[in-house]
Amino acid sequence: AQKITQTQPGMFVQEKEAVTLDCTYDTSDQSYGLFWYKQPSSGEMIFLIYQGSYDQQNATEGRYSLNFQKARKSANLVISASQLGDSAMYFCAMRDGGATNKLIFGTGTLLAVQP
Amino acid sequence: DGGITQSPKYLFRKEGQNVTLSCEQNLNHDAMYWYRQDPGQGLRLIYYSQIVNDFQKGDIAEGYSVSREKKESFPLTVTSAQKNPTAFYLCASSILGLAGHKNIQYFGAGTRLSVL
Repeated sequence: AQKITQTQPGMFVQEKEAVTLDCTYDTSDQSYGLFWYKQPSSGEMIFLIYQGSYDQQNATEGRYSLNFQKARKSANLVISASQLGDSAMYFCAMRDGGATNKLIFGTGTLLAVQP
Repeated sequence: DGGITQSPKYLFRKEGQNVTLSCEQNLNHDAMYWYRQDPGQGLRLIYYSQIVNDFQKGDIAEGYSVSREKKESFPLTVTSAQKNPTAFYLCASSILGLAGHKNIQYFGAGTRLSVL
């Protein structure tokens, strides 16, 4: 069965520093997609970044980058130059390669950015 | 502005009562989804629909029902059979692209349901 594991319940980072949020996944599919979402205290889920299993390069979106290590089955999110507004829950999710587009979510990491 | 609108933001249910959560999207997406989030946990899929008048059960469908009469709308009914309905409910939508494509799911702001 597919599974996403986020082992860091909470993280602190100083403003302007970089932080890495860990995510490991388990799947027997060859084709899959990995996503990171941000959930502020307001509750909505905000899409941040996507990595396909066949993508040759690590994905980047502004201050967000995904450190994809396929052999280790890890897809860590790196946030550079942290800002106070980055304080939120962060969820890693996986979609299988089939047509249903269902997402499997991890339990999340609560990030607190300190001034 | 295109987006997904969920209403109400807060909802209270009495014992034995059915309640309906609304989800409307103007993104012209074919696929829509309902997720449940419990404190300290990730999201779990309740139901999803890839086309009008068709929907499939997700991982935790018991005690819930849905309909998809219009492309824009995917309401979720929490029935009295759902014994532990207190949770945060999120609706999402996406294009129905080819397998292996991004097919990003975009979410609404959620409905928080509590039992009186």
